[in-house]
Amino acid sequence: AQTVTQSQPEMSVQEAETVTLSCTYDTSESDYYLFWYKQPPSRQMILVIRQEAYKQQNATENRFSVNFQKAAKSFSLKISDSQLGDAAMYFCAYRRLNTGNQFYFGTGTSLTVIP
Amino acid sequence: EPEVTQTPSHQVTQMGQEVILRCVPISNHLYFYWYRQILGQKVEFLVSFYNNEISEKSEIFDDQFSVERPDGSNFTLKIRSTKLEDSAMYFCASSEVGGFGSAGGYTFGSGTRLTVV
Repeated sequence: AQTVTQSQPEMSVQEAETVTLSCTYDTSESDYYLFWYKQPPSRQMILVIRQEAYKQQNATENRFSVNFQKAAKSFSLKISDSQLGDAAMYFCAYRRLNTGNQFYFGTGTSLTVIP
Repeated sequence: EPEVTQTPSHQVTQMGQEVILRCVPISNHLYFYWYRQILGQKVEFLVSFYNNEISEKSEIFDDQFSVERPDGSNFTLKIRSTKLEDSAMYFCASSEVGGFGSAGGYTFGSGTRLTVV
């Protein structure tokens, strides 16, 4: 079974600094997708970044980047130049590649940005 | 930008009552989903729906739950006889494609907070 673990329930970062959120997962499959979703106080789940496991290059979206370590089954999110609007709950998620539609989510990390 | 709309944003119901949560997916999307998030816990998959039938469901989605697309726009989740443990945030999502080869393209709604008293 696929499981996703986020070991940091809460994190904080000073505005303009960099923070890294951790995520590990367990799977027996070789190809899959990984995602980071952001859930601000508005509660809507917003896609931040996604990574295809068959791609070696780490995904990057502006200030957001990932460190994907396939052998270690690790998928951390780095937020550079943190902004107040980055404050939210961040969920790591896994999805199989070729079958099924469901996401497997972690328990989330609540990120506070300190002005 | 297109949105998935969920109503109501908060619903309080008495234990044993039926409740219907409503969602309007993005108009050109073909796959629809319900997830739930019990307070302080992870977001969990309930069901996916395509071509007017359930394509996948989790163990949580038992006989108390049903989904329906009653017209061309709405997608509903019905809980027949609510229990205290059904209290959670329920998220609807939709996607243009699903399953095979789909890396994403999911859009989530803002959720309905269901409180069973």
